[in-house]
Amino acid sequence: DARVTQTPRHKVTEMGQEVTMRCQPILGHNTVFWYRQTMMQGLELLAYFRNRAPLDDSGMPKDRFSAEMPDATLATLKIQPSEPRDSAVYFCASVLTGSNYGYTFGSGTRLTVV
Amino acid sequence: AQSVTQLGSHVSVSEGALVLLRCNYSSSVPPYLFWYVQYPNQGLQLLLKYTSAATLVKGINGFEAEFKKSETSFHLTKPSAHMSDAAEYFCAVSDNTNAGKSTFGDGTTLTVKP
Repeated sequence: DARVTQTPRHKVTEMGQEVTMRCQPILGHNTVFWYRQTMMQGLELLAYFRNRAPLDDSGMPKDRFSAEMPDATLATLKIQPSEPRDSAVYFCASVLTGSNYGYTFGSGTRLTVV
Repeated sequence: AQSVTQLGSHVSVSEGALVLLRCNYSSSVPPYLFWYVQYPNQGLQLLLKYTSAATLVKGINGFEAEFKKSETSFHLTKPSAHMSDAAEYFCAVSDNTNAGKSTFGDGTTLTVKP
């Protein structure tokens, strides 16, 4: 089965440090999403891209978060500087727009900021 | 605009009992509807989907859902719960015109008692 690959799976970092999370979407999928999941807020959409162009990043704190797609096989989510409140599980998902297959999610990056 | 309401953030059933997880949607166009399941420490995975074909949809692990346009509902059922069904379940709606963007419900945690 095709998979969305996220790295790292776990990350512990100190407050103020830069964190970069990576996602390899399924080959051929042209839309990529970044989600954050916490117990308190549930699943939140942070940003998404279609054909590598950002369509909506209104869910991200602009001052510290940035998302990019350097190429069709890589999406990145960066936090600089990180804060304890950023501790969460971050998921990437991909889909082919116009298909009806639903999203394929990665296994997530569990981020802990101490 | 589209939205999803999952009735009941927590559902508890006994092993062997009927599972019923409720989902109501709102969409200005004919919707695509999805159920996803999330097991502990994993990403969401597609359980089943409705894409305007048969209104009764069968998915993995013995789950099924029925699309009822008149009730704007897409409830998830399973005749007999197994311990392994304990997970969080998310309903999602997509009109497939907004870059393939889905709107997710808040999730329902299913507990299965022995």
